[in-house]
Amino acid sequence: AQKITQTQPGMFVQEKEAVTLDCTYDTSDQSYGLFWYKQPSSGEMIFLIYQGSYDEQNATEGRYSLNFQKARKSANLVISASQLGDSAMYFCAMRAFDNYGQNFVFGPGTRLSVLP
Amino acid sequence: DGGITQSPKYLFRKEGQNVTLSCEQNLNHDAMYWYRQDPGQGLRLIYYSQIVNDFQKGDIAEGYSVSREKKESFPLTVTSAQKNPTAFYLCASKGQGANTEAFFGQGTRLTVV
Repeated sequence: AQKITQTQPGMFVQEKEAVTLDCTYDTSDQSYGLFWYKQPSSGEMIFLIYQGSYDEQNATEGRYSLNFQKARKSANLVISASQLGDSAMYFCAMRAFDNYGQNFVFGPGTRLSVLP
Repeated sequence: DGGITQSPKYLFRKEGQNVTLSCEQNLNHDAMYWYRQDPGQGLRLIYYSQIVNDFQKGDIAEGYSVSREKKESFPLTVTSAQKNPTAFYLCASKGQGANTEAFFGQGTRLTVV
């Protein structure tokens, strides 16, 4: 079974600085995908970035990049030039397949607070 | 605009009552999901559906039921058998392709009083 671990319950970062949110995963699948979502206080889940296990390059989307280290089974999210609006919960997720179909397994999340 | 709509945003229920949470999507997605989120925790899968008239239990299905009579709709009923129903409920849908992300609704916060 797939499992996602996020060991940082909370993180603080100064505005305009970069921050790394950790994510490690466990799977026996050769092909897998990793997702990061942002959840502001309003509760909605906002998709940020995706990394496939066979992607040779680390994924990037604007200020978000993914530090993917396959051998270490880690997929850390890097946010550059932090903004006050980045304060939110961040979830790492993995796609999971069972006999029925595909679903998503989520980690416990990291609460990021950006300080002015 | 395409998206997922959950209603209501806040819901209060008396103990012993069943309650149904609505989830509608106009993204033409086949797959739909229900997740539960407790304070300070991640999302746990309740039920999911890959196609109309078919669905599968997730990790915490006990005390919940769903239906999928239309592609656009995937309502979740929280029954009186659910021992601790107070939580934040998120509905999601996903398009074709293994690499595509799930799109989420705004969530429903259920409180049992």
